[in-house]
Amino acid sequence: GDSVTQMEGPVTLSEEAFLTINCTYTATGYPSLFWYVQYPGEGLQLLLKATKADDKGSNKGFEATYRKETTSFHLEKGSVQVSDSAVYFCALSGPEAAGNKLTFGGGTRVLVKP
Amino acid sequence: DAMVIQNPRYQVTQFGKPVTLSCSQTLNHNVMYWYQQKSSQAPKLLFHYYDKDFNNEADTPDNFQSRRPNTSFCFLDIRSPGLGDAAMYLCATSREGRVNEKLFFGSGTQLSVL
Repeated sequence: GDSVTQMEGPVTLSEEAFLTINCTYTATGYPSLFWYVQYPGEGLQLLLKATKADDKGSNKGFEATYRKETTSFHLEKGSVQVSDSAVYFCALSGPEAAGNKLTFGGGTRVLVKP
Repeated sequence: DAMVIQNPRYQVTQFGKPVTLSCSQTLNHNVMYWYQQKSSQAPKLLFHYYDKDFNNEADTPDNFQSRRPNTSFCFLDIRSPGLGDAAMYLCATSREGRVNEKLFFGSGTQLSVL
């Protein structure tokens, strides 16, 4: 079945540091790929997505590129802020899935210190 | 403005005592989902409704049931909670359930079983 693997946290960074969170997936066909973020005390919210190979999703300074050849969707941000402290989830929705059922990775907690 | 609302935020129940978690939405979306998220694990889909059509995941225990009396509300019933059912329960919606659609999540209900 479909699966998503992302690096375990916590990841602790200083403000303005570069952030990378690795995400790889296993799926049949060509899934859509997502990054969701969960800020403390809140629900998950969509950060960015990509729906086909070589697409780049971007939002709030975060970027991720859909790499079919490496089955990866790594999340990057060039200069993090304290407000980026959150848990980040990589997810996919397989092309055969009915009802847009997301398969999530285990989440990566990011802590940005001033 | 909260668009997917889950109540209560924290729920404590006793072993074997039925419990109901609720979710409401103001988005008028067709699809509603229930996910279970155990500590430091990926959210796992339990079931979803497309309008009134119920779709159960194959590995969702029979102990878990759901009701959707109207478009706005969806309930998760746990008939006889066990200690292993302690988790965060996340409700989400999407407009049509298409593969690349965004999901809107509530803040979750943290269930404790004593």
